[in-house]
Amino acid sequence: GAVVSQHPSRVICKSGTSVKIECRSLDFQATTMFWYRQFPKQSLMLMATSNEGSKATYEQGVEKDKFLINHASLTLSTLTVTSAHPEDSSFYICSGSGMNTEAFFGQGTRLTVV
Amino acid sequence: DAKTTQPPSMDCAEGRAANLPCNHSTISGNEYVYWYRQIHSQGPQYIIHGLKNNETNEMASLIITEDRKSSTLILPHATLRDTAVYYCIVRVKGDSSYKLIFGSGTRLLVRP
Repeated sequence: GAVVSQHPSRVICKSGTSVKIECRSLDFQATTMFWYRQFPKQSLMLMATSNEGSKATYEQGVEKDKFLINHASLTLSTLTVTSAHPEDSSFYICSGSGMNTEAFFGQGTRLTVV
Repeated sequence: DAKTTQPPSMDCAEGRAANLPCNHSTISGNEYVYWYRQIHSQGPQYIIHGLKNNETNEMASLIITEDRKSSTLILPHATLRDTAVYYCIVRVKGDSSYKLIFGSGTRLLVRP
């Protein structure tokens, strides 16, 4: 299948700082990208959907000012967790989908806020 | 909310077929059924998808009932590396694009 690369795989940051996570589609053009969050022993929860060049659409209950999503090109999307707090510690996973293709997932980023 | 229900866990013997059921009784006529699996601490891996016909690829087979209210993922010869959480997902239309809403999945344990 197609490859989605996510970076970093792990990050530890101090409370109050911001963290940026990158998601790249390496061998296809991702017209739509999705960002998920997964807490231990739980399923993936969709946070937001973004189309290239457009503002992201956030799911209910997800703060758009806290989780900034940029999808400026067909191969790159970024998620910035602003003013991170310990409760934001989680496994963040991105996914990219091209025109009429299934969604392919990155390997995830484990964020720990201390 | 996810439109699918799956048993929380299943197990099967290595080398045997694993049949994972999924109910999606509220599926609409143009909504696809997707299957992904997640091995611990990794991103989900695409397995297969279908609309109404049965589908087969190198990983698995997907059997969808005629009324489309349920489906079964079949791993024909399960190996230990198939131990994972398997998610059955109905792809739904969102505000700006289609999206995949994950349910709780089935934790499959393949026994030696």
